[in-house]
Amino acid sequence: GAGVSQSPSNKVTEKGKDVELRCDPISGHTALYWYRQSLGQGLEFLIYFQGNSAPDKSGLPSDRFSAERTGGSVSTLTIQRTQQEDSAVYLCASSLEAGRRPLHFGNGTRLTVT
Amino acid sequence: TQLLEQSPQFLSIQEGENLTVYCNSSSVFSSLQWYRQEPGEGPVLLVTVVTGGEVKKLKRLTFQFGDARKDSSLHITAAQPGDTGLYLCAGGTDKLIFGTGTRLQVFP
Repeated sequence: GAGVSQSPSNKVTEKGKDVELRCDPISGHTALYWYRQSLGQGLEFLIYFQGNSAPDKSGLPSDRFSAERTGGSVSTLTIQRTQQEDSAVYLCASSLEAGRRPLHFGNGTRLTVT
Repeated sequence: TQLLEQSPQFLSIQEGENLTVYCNSSSVFSSLQWYRQEPGEGPVLLVTVVTGGEVKKLKRLTFQFGDARKDSSLHITAAQPGDTGLYLCAGGTDKLIFGTGTRLQVFP
């Protein structure tokens, strides 16, 4: 596609439920990044993929968070047993390869945990 | 751990005023980038600075990379309402770390 696509754009879920957020990067981009943004603040790094492997998972806040990428393309960020503090905008970005700039961002998924 | 601190956190000014946003770190970066984010959208790259002391201009925006490559600044001349948004600096190698952000509001 022309840009990074994220779905859903908005998600409201009840505390304790699991959610899956999807990211479809720009075709040909081998690196894919997930960030979290709370209340219009700076971006918190979660995880990045080079191809299907994730060299750096250091930003995942807890073991309730996981991400996978298959076929070097689409990625899914899963949050299990959601908590209210998980409410945020989750942004995905891609680039030609890790370390190559710029990052191209999607418009994010706004997650609200009630 | 590399951290990027931005100041000020919020800036509210009138159209036509000048402003400067700062991005500081205790770590050395091989390059720094500046992004702008508008509501409901992802950040969009404005510029990348690579060389210590480098100055880049983008219309009314002037970006500078510190000589030691630990800090950067963004200066906007004669701000316009269209400049309103969240400004983010970012740096890192494989993993791009973002600054704390500066939210700019320009009133007509």
